[in-house]
Amino acid sequence: AQRVTQPEKLLSVFKGAPVELKCNYSYSGSPELFWYVQYSRQRLQLLLRHISRESIKGFTADLNKGETSFHLKKPFAQEEDSAMYYCAPFRDNYGQNFVFGPGTRLSVLP
Amino acid sequence: DVKVTQSSRYLVKRTGEKVFLECVQDMDHENMFWYRQDPGLGLRLIYFSYDVKMKEKGDIPEGYSVSREKKERFSLILESASTNQTSMYLCASSLSGGTGANVLTFGAGSRLTVL
Repeated sequence: AQRVTQPEKLLSVFKGAPVELKCNYSYSGSPELFWYVQYSRQRLQLLLRHISRESIKGFTADLNKGETSFHLKKPFAQEEDSAMYYCAPFRDNYGQNFVFGPGTRLSVLP
Repeated sequence: DVKVTQSSRYLVKRTGEKVFLECVQDMDHENMFWYRQDPGLGLRLIYFSYDVKMKEKGDIPEGYSVSREKKERFSLILESASTNQTSMYLCASSLSGGTGANVLTFGAGSRLTVL
């Protein structure tokens, strides 16, 4: 069975510090990789999509196929980055593969 | 603006009651989803629909059923609510093909409390 792990439930960093939210997935092949974010009292929303190769709000995500990891990084965290982050490696266009990781709560301290 | 609307933001029901959670999207998306969101467990997929009247079980379908009679509407049904179904329920939709495929748009959520 596929598994998606985000090892940190809570990650606290100071403003201006680098941040890395880890994501590992256990299935082979070439899943399409996403990070979603949920800010306080807001809807869950797409943060970035790997195939777009964009940097959104200063975040980037590196795919390591050998380690099957897709870690989210930002060089200088801001207080407004405090939110819940979910990794979502979607394998195919089938419902049972729209699986999210358990999430990491990022808290950026002033 | 793209919208997924969940009709009820907060519900309180009693054990054994039948519960309907409604979700409507106005984006002509083929795929619709129901997740439940629990602290420490993240999002868990309950059911998925890829077309009208079509459905597939997700990871945790037990105790739930769904209905999709129209493309824009996807309903989640709890036939006999139990306290362990107290949760936040999220509806989402996505295109099935093209550049927007696999990008989920979420509703605001329905927080269900079962007493």
